[in-house]
Amino acid sequence: EIVLTQSPATLSLSPGERATLSCRASQSVSSYLAWYQQKPGQAPRLLIYDASNRATGIPARFSGSGSGTDFTLTISSLEPEDFAVYYCQQRSNWRYTFGQGTKLEIK
Amino acid sequence: EVQLVESGGGLVQPGGSLRLSCAASGFTFSSYWMSWVRQAPGKGLEWVANIKQDGSEKYYVDSVKGRFTISRDNAKNSLYLQMNSLRAEDTAVYYCARDPGPVAALDYWGQGTLVTVSS
Repeated sequence: EIVLTQSPATLSLSPGERATLSCRASQSVSSYLAWYQQKPGQAPRLLIYDASNRATGIPARFSGSGSGTDFTLTISSLEPEDFAVYYCQQRSNWRYTFGQGTKLEIK
Repeated sequence: EVQLVESGGGLVQPGGSLRLSCAASGFTFSSYWMSWVRQAPGKGLEWVANIKQDGSEKYYVDSVKGRFTISRDNAKNSLYLQMNSLRAEDTAVYYCARDPGPVAALDYWGQGTLVTVSS
């Protein structure tokens, strides 16, 4: 099973700042890496798929990069609504695993 | 508009059974893989199972193999999760999600249904 490790566990920033979230895979996942945002009491929302493609309706301030084992989600300038938990996810042989999440909180 | 609506959650005793349903609308259900994902209270996301468009392939996380069964009825645009031999650690919100297939991600999610396993 491929394990995804996200860092940091918690990130404290202010609106307008740049956020950089990391996800590392225990073995190569090529570019089959996705990112989700989840707010309290809500279902996850797909942000990025195939490492760098924004999902429908996702603002341009969200971007993804990386391949192989190291991936990054960048939020260029934080808006108040961006404070949430973010998960990375991979699929291998039709089985999915998620990272443990990064909580992005207001400083 | 794509909609996924889960139902069937509730309180069940350890060792009991429950069947979850997910009603899909707004897209051609029979053209998509579908998944179940769960989230224990205060915890992260855990993928549970998925099923191919025609039901011919199914995959499970190890912790539910032999206890849970995923199925679908394309005529009713519905996805199911039969859960047997339930344990306290199965307590979670269960989400159904659409899997576009070639894109290795889950692009639409329902709002979830809570399953509580407790005596």
